[in-house]
Amino acid sequence: NAGVTQTPKFRILKIGQSMTLQCAQDMNHNYMYWYRQDPGMGLKLIYYSVGAGITDKGEVPNGYNVSRSTTEDFPLRLELAAPSQTSVYFCASFKGQGDTGELFFGEGSRLTVL
Amino acid sequence: AQKITQTQPGMFVQEKEAVTLDCTYDTSDQSYGLFWYKQPSSGEMIFLIYQGSYDEQNATEGRYSLNFQKARKSANLVISASQLGDSAMYFCAMREVGGSEKLVFGKGTKLTVNP
Repeated sequence: NAGVTQTPKFRILKIGQSMTLQCAQDMNHNYMYWYRQDPGMGLKLIYYSVGAGITDKGEVPNGYNVSRSTTEDFPLRLELAAPSQTSVYFCASFKGQGDTGELFFGEGSRLTVL
Repeated sequence: AQKITQTQPGMFVQEKEAVTLDCTYDTSDQSYGLFWYKQPSSGEMIFLIYQGSYDEQNATEGRYSLNFQKARKSANLVISASQLGDSAMYFCAMREVGGSEKLVFGKGTKLTVNP
């Protein structure tokens, strides 16, 4: 089982460039999340989605955009990259309300903005 | 707003001994879930254990147990018989049940197991 797949795993961007981090899950989960983890810190929520066509902001949404056109995919777009966006990005998914299980995480995408 | 506090930036334990990692939380919700995740140096997030707010018994998963004290709003992780492979960052997290179901994370505790 693939679970949650993130691409790319590593990327270096120049200031002002844009890029999209891809996230796909094959578990038919309704809920999907994007977190960022700065060095030595916990995870902070960027955006989340409770189903296809529905997205909402988390704690740190500035500089990012998301879309959820299908249940499987939840891409995160960085517009005009800044050094402050240097971080490790995690995508996660969850089955949905009524389920007491865990969030499933992707392996992470390490982004460096120079 | 939900908040998770982990007051131990780093902990050391001798191999084969038990260790407790502290976690306190703050929420006005009646229904919530508490989680512990392990993050080794390779970076992936590994789910360890879950405790629901209405669960009367403490959760256990192998060598991991969650010491849930609802009145004190604490959810400490106990690792018994520590192994060298337990050296990692450990994150406590809370999920609001209903709504976004998002996880709010603490800042983590770095555990080092000494031989």
